[in-house]
Amino acid sequence: QSVLTQPPSVSGAPGQRVTISCTGSSSNIGSGFDVHWHQQLPGTAPKLLIFGNSNRPSGVPDRFSGSKSGTSASLAISGLQADDEGDYYCQSYDSSLNGYVFGTGTKVTVL
Amino acid sequence: EVQLLESGGGLVQPGGSLRLSCAASGFSFSSYAMNWVRQAPGKGLEWVSDISVGGGGTHYADSVKGRFTISRDNSKNTLYLQMYSLRAEDTAVYYCAKKLTGYYTFDDWGQGTLVTVSS
Repeated sequence: QSVLTQPPSVSGAPGQRVTISCTGSSSNIGSGFDVHWHQQLPGTAPKLLIFGNSNRPSGVPDRFSGSKSGTSASLAISGLQADDEGDYYCQSYDSSLNGYVFGTGTKVTVL
Repeated sequence: EVQLLESGGGLVQPGGSLRLSCAASGFSFSSYAMNWVRQAPGKGLEWVSDISVGGGGTHYADSVKGRFTISRDNSKNTLYLQMYSLRAEDTAVYYCAKKLTGYYTFDDWGQGTLVTVSS
């Protein structure tokens, strides 16, 4: 049902950099709608991580960065830490569905 | 500090009804659009519905259109989701989420309330 496609999982050693892709279409990301990222740590509610493609809310470390190009976006986590383990979701708006859409989610594992 | 506290979840039979509430505090509730987002067990996030600041504008995901009704009481700082004709596939944790002004996203989330539809 998800309109935005993400890789199911990514992994990296502590300190490494990982990236998560998010692929949409011409009715959402490609239409100019912003991409946002939400982090969901195990057993907790989601938390806004990146908004407006590349902006970090107050309190989010600059290890997290976002970018957007065309119909895709990506989230980068540098200096990977053990407590970064969890699920990450991209999110946008879709003009055909007239609603918010989420990515399929990516599980980040720290080796 | 923004707080969103959902309640009203529980076990309901297929075809039954349930009303969820979300009590808001720590911000000017009447100034923000609000949303419901759900997450089926072991699955991803799915947007359900949103409501404008005054309550006059609402939108729904196709999966719940005609069965769910979102509303708000700004005098009580509370958001509601009335759910009818519930199906097994509606089983999920339901989160209320505050819309970030100027962006199509959510900057604060509640802790969620679990709805289980089963006989």
